[in-house]
Amino acid sequence: DIVMTQSPLSLPVTPGEPASISCRSSQSLLHSNGFNYLVWYLQKPGQSPHLLIYLGSDRASGVPDRFSGSGSGTDFTLSISRVEAEDVGVYYCMQALQAPHTFGQGTKLEIK
Amino acid sequence: QPQLQESGPGLVKPSETLSLTCTVSGDSISNTINYWGWIRQPPGKGLEWIANINYSGNAYYSPSLKSRVTISVDTPKNQFSLKLSSVTAADTAVYYCARYNWNQGNSDYWGQGTLVTVSS
Repeated sequence: DIVMTQSPLSLPVTPGEPASISCRSSQSLLHSNGFNYLVWYLQKPGQSPHLLIYLGSDRASGVPDRFSGSGSGTDFTLSISRVEAEDVGVYYCMQALQAPHTFGQGTKLEIK
Repeated sequence: QPQLQESGPGLVKPSETLSLTCTVSGDSISNTINYWGWIRQPPGKGLEWIANINYSGNAYYSPSLKSRVTISVDTPKNQFSLKLSSVTAADTAVYYCARYNWNQGNSDYWGQGTLVTVSS
């Protein structure tokens, strides 16, 4: 199985400040088609996870442009340019290159 | 847009079989570009992928659960189902069904989740 490792696991952020989360995979997520099969989800308190970023850097429909994804191969980053109060929750990265799909441990973002 | 709704018993006894159904609206299970799957989350813990299946029954399973899991589709009812046998307390979790977009490599629509507790 591909192991996904996120850091940090806890992220206190002041509103209006930037934030970033790192996700590393034990194997390259770069498919032969040129796409990285890396996804970012946000699970807000009491809700199902919802899709933020797919294929490493493509924003899902309706996701604010303050969210961006970058990276390739085994190292990926989710960046938030200016954190807002509604961004609190747990952020997960997931690899979809091969079964079983595997998730990172989650990063809990909280507002200072 | 697609909506998914999980249904099934909220309490299952140890050693018995957990059975859940996901009803899909706003999309067709027979849509050839999508798979349909299950993910679970033990209370206070992270997410664990269980399995995906497409309209023709082509399925992928988590190796750690494969011996106990069966996933199936019912295209006339626009539903898909999960069966997990020989459950223990470790299988207590919120179970989510989701649509997996094959082209984009993501689960783009999720159900609200259903808590299944394994207890006698």
